[in-house]
Amino acid sequence: ETGVTQSPTHLIKTRGQQVTLRCSSQSGHNTVSWYQQALGQGPQFIFQYYREEENGRGNFPPRFSGLQFPNYSSELNVNALELDDSALYLCASSSGQGLYEQYFGPGTRLTVT
Amino acid sequence: GDSVTQMEGPVTLSEEAFLTINCTYTATGYPSLFWYVQYPGEGLQLLLKATKADDKGSNKGFEATYRKETTSFHLEKGSVQVSDSAVYFCALIPTYTGTASKLTFGTGTRLQVTL
Repeated sequence: ETGVTQSPTHLIKTRGQQVTLRCSSQSGHNTVSWYQQALGQGPQFIFQYYREEENGRGNFPPRFSGLQFPNYSSELNVNALELDDSALYLCASSSGQGLYEQYFGPGTRLTVT
Repeated sequence: GDSVTQMEGPVTLSEEAFLTINCTYTATGYPSLFWYVQYPGEGLQLLLKATKADDKGSNKGFEATYRKETTSFHLEKGSVQVSDSAVYFCALIPTYTGTASKLTFGTGTRLQVTL
């Protein structure tokens, strides 16, 4: 069984650019959540997708957007990058909403210069 | 809003020492509580969980008890190993409402175990 995978592993972007991060969920999982983890901090919830629909969002501006595809893989898009967007972006998949265990990928390290 | 407070690290222990990492929470209703572990260069792994008051979660020698009266979920291990060196996160999910299962994390506690 393949776990949650994310790409790319590392990324360097310039302020004002746009970035797309990708996540492949674990087989059989229909729910994907995205988290931002700043250095030395705990992950912060960005949003969650369930069966291709966004069904919850954290305190992040609209320039953070996402998609979930029919195969339940997902993308996180960030427009107009700011220096404070530099962080580890974690994707987690689960087999449903509620209290199903969330399985995390290794993350994408984004650096904005 | 919901929040989780953890003791600051790093916590440095000798191998075979007893470990306690304190965690307290603020949430309405009856949240579910979790401990996640993050090894260097890796994502988060669920270590243990408890979904109601007085439940004890346990895994790999770690355990934590859901204490509603003190809103706490302290992580303990009787004898740590060098391989336990990692960052530990306490987290909660609010009472399930059928919508997004948003994990709220503490800031993490780094554990370093030396020989």
